[in-house]
Amino acid sequence: NAGVIQTPRHKVTGKGQEATLWCEPISGHSAVFWYRQTIVQGLEFLTYFRNQAPIDDSGMPKERFSAQMPNQSHSTLKIQSTQPQDSAVYLCASSFGSGQDTQYFGPGTRLLVL
Amino acid sequence: GQQVQQSPASLVLQEGENAELQCNFSSTATRLQWFYQRPGGSLVSLLSNPSGTKHTGRLTSTTVTKERRGSLHISSSQITDSGTYLCAIGSSGGSNAKLTFGKGTKLSVKS
Repeated sequence: NAGVIQTPRHKVTGKGQEATLWCEPISGHSAVFWYRQTIVQGLEFLTYFRNQAPIDDSGMPKERFSAQMPNQSHSTLKIQSTQPQDSAVYLCASSFGSGQDTQYFGPGTRLLVL
Repeated sequence: GQQVQQSPASLVLQEGENAELQCNFSSTATRLQWFYQRPGGSLVSLLSNPSGTKHTGRLTSTTVTKERRGSLHISSSQITDSGTYLCAIGSSGGSNAKLTFGKGTKLSVKS
C-alpha cells in the first residue's frame, strides 16, 4: 500500500500562470478530499468527492479554483491565473468511505507563486 | 461553522515527562481525529474516536462529546515525539465527512 500519492511535490509558478496538482488515492478508497495549509490560516478544507462525484466544494475559492475526479484512481486540483496568495501546501486525503472513516493524507504539494 | 481551539499553542518537555494536549470545539461533533506533523512533513493519523477513550502505545485520546472537548495524553515523552499535534473535528449535518482543524500544539521534547 503506497498511501496517497501527490505530484508534483514542489511547484513554482509565475503570477498569472496555471497550476495543476495531482492526487492518487489509496486503492479501494471511495472518498477523496482536498485541503490547503498555510502558516496564517492553518489547514482548511477545500472540496471532496465520493465515488468520483463532487459532494462538497464549500471551501473552494469561487474563482480560479476547480477540482475534478475523472476516474477512481486520480483527482486534480487546478488553479488558473495563480496569485501569490495561492502559495500554500495543498494536501489530498482519502478514506475508505466517508462520514466517520479515518482520512489518510498524502505528502502534499508545496506551491509557490512568485 | 465549526471552530476548533487547541491548547497550549506550544509545549516544552523534558524527555520522560507526560504531555496533555487539549482540543475544544464549538458545535456538535461526530468524531475527533488526532494527527501528527513534523516540520515540512505530511500528516500522520494517530487516533480517531468520536467519544470515550482510546489507547495506542503511549497515546491516549479522550473525547467528551457533550462537553465539546477532547484531549490527547502522551506518556513518557521521547525526543522523537517533537512536532505539531493537530486536532480535527467532523461535524454533524451537511457534509459531515470534511474535517475542521485546530491550529495545533507544537511539542518540543528535550534531553
